[in-house]
Amino acid sequence: GQNIDQPTEMTATEGAIVQINCTYQTSGFNGLFWYQQHAGEAPTFLSYNVLDGLEEKGRFSSFLSRSKGYSYLLLKELQMKDSASYLCAVRSSGNTPLVFGKGTRLSVIA
Amino acid sequence: EAGVAQSPRYKIIEKRQSVAFWCNPISGHATLYWYQQILGQGPKLLIQFQNNGVVDDSQLPKDRFSAERLKGVDSTLKIQPAKLEDSAVYLCASSSQGPQYFGPGTRLTVT
Repeated sequence: GQNIDQPTEMTATEGAIVQINCTYQTSGFNGLFWYQQHAGEAPTFLSYNVLDGLEEKGRFSSFLSRSKGYSYLLLKELQMKDSASYLCAVRSSGNTPLVFGKGTRLSVIA
Repeated sequence: EAGVAQSPRYKIIEKRQSVAFWCNPISGHATLYWYQQILGQGPKLLIQFQNNGVVDDSQLPKDRFSAERLKGVDSTLKIQPAKLEDSAVYLCASSSQGPQYFGPGTRLTVT
């Protein structure tokens, strides 16, 4: 079976840093993806990790530890527009479909 | 580069009626996916196509849902007859080798 866990909700202050964790148990592994989804909109691709370590893209970074089945998304210098759901997804092999977690709803407050 | 296109954006129908959704993937993307997303949940795969062939439809409720991708480009997803629990956003995504890119989705309300 496949299981992906992430916190349901988080709140952080504008300008701060927030870390959203994701743990997974899957039958295979060929990449971990993070998507951002604003209310009423489609998910948009943020980052992709297939090897252990940190991938940095501007204010967003994503980390992966395959041995621990663990990833996190780090958002720096939070802005109000970062209020959204953040979805962790795993691909088990090849071009198989992504399996998504339920998403973490992040609220950025002033 | 144009993104994934979907239509309609919104649809309201009564239970037991039928409905169809259309998707046009990113040009050159061989793989197309239909996902169902219920409010507060992550997207759940319904069906995956590789060109015009079905790769995975294990989670498609085949008694009421059908999908096709006849020429390996556009795809349609149909629900017949609809039930109240089908109320959700239906997302189409496409990919080449890397990430999946999503269309804007169709929000279906079944009353």
